[in-house]
Amino acid sequence: GESVGLHLPTLSVQEGDNSIINCAYSNSASDYFIWYKQESGKGPQFIIDIRSNMDKRQGQRVTVLLNKTVKHLSLQIAATQPGDSAVYFCAEGPYNQGGKLIFGQGTELSVKP
Amino acid sequence: DAGVIQSPRHEVTEMGQEVTLRCKPISGHNSLFWYRQTMMRGLELLIYFNNNVPIDDSGMPEDRFSAKMPNASFSTLKIQPSEPRDSAVYFCASISTGVTGELFFGEGSRLTVL
Repeated sequence: GESVGLHLPTLSVQEGDNSIINCAYSNSASDYFIWYKQESGKGPQFIIDIRSNMDKRQGQRVTVLLNKTVKHLSLQIAATQPGDSAVYFCAEGPYNQGGKLIFGQGTELSVKP
Repeated sequence: DAGVIQSPRHEVTEMGQEVTLRCKPISGHNSLFWYRQTMMRGLELLIYFNNNVPIDDSGMPEDRFSAKMPNASFSTLKIQPSEPRDSAVYFCASISTGVTGELFFGEGSRLTVL
């Protein structure tokens, strides 16, 4: 029979607003965290990363915050644009084994013009 | 650079048939990863190679799945025999060993097993 797929959490924002996407990670031993963006029909694309010895890192229009106490990661996108519409995944893993990652379920960001 | 190249982009096959997915990593990258993406389970690591050697295949679902990397520029993921539950998007990704940061993904191979 047909399997029922999971419905991704969805965040809908107005163009120009700031977006905050949250993620809870599972492994206390993970010391490396990454955010990926996946557009429809494409592979995940790296956005920004952070090591466990930091709690904040900024890129161009994006900021990642890490709270190790509660195992929480967030991605902030400033001045959200229609081109930011995609599914965003957080991922965790060992810093010394780049690429061996555990991905979160993803959040779908929808930007309304 | 052309990025990670995967083929085929789409494959529809019947249950019981053999499926071979192919990947060409980015030149100079010596770590290669195969991930599978489904709505139910999200993105899962199946296997990865360092310098053409399989390092961790604990994510491979069962013996029907096998992966090889005969040289630094080519890898295959084979499913034999295929089953409907293998329907998914299979991604290949590469990075330089010991380098953290951007894991480069291919565009994926969408497999449908009828």
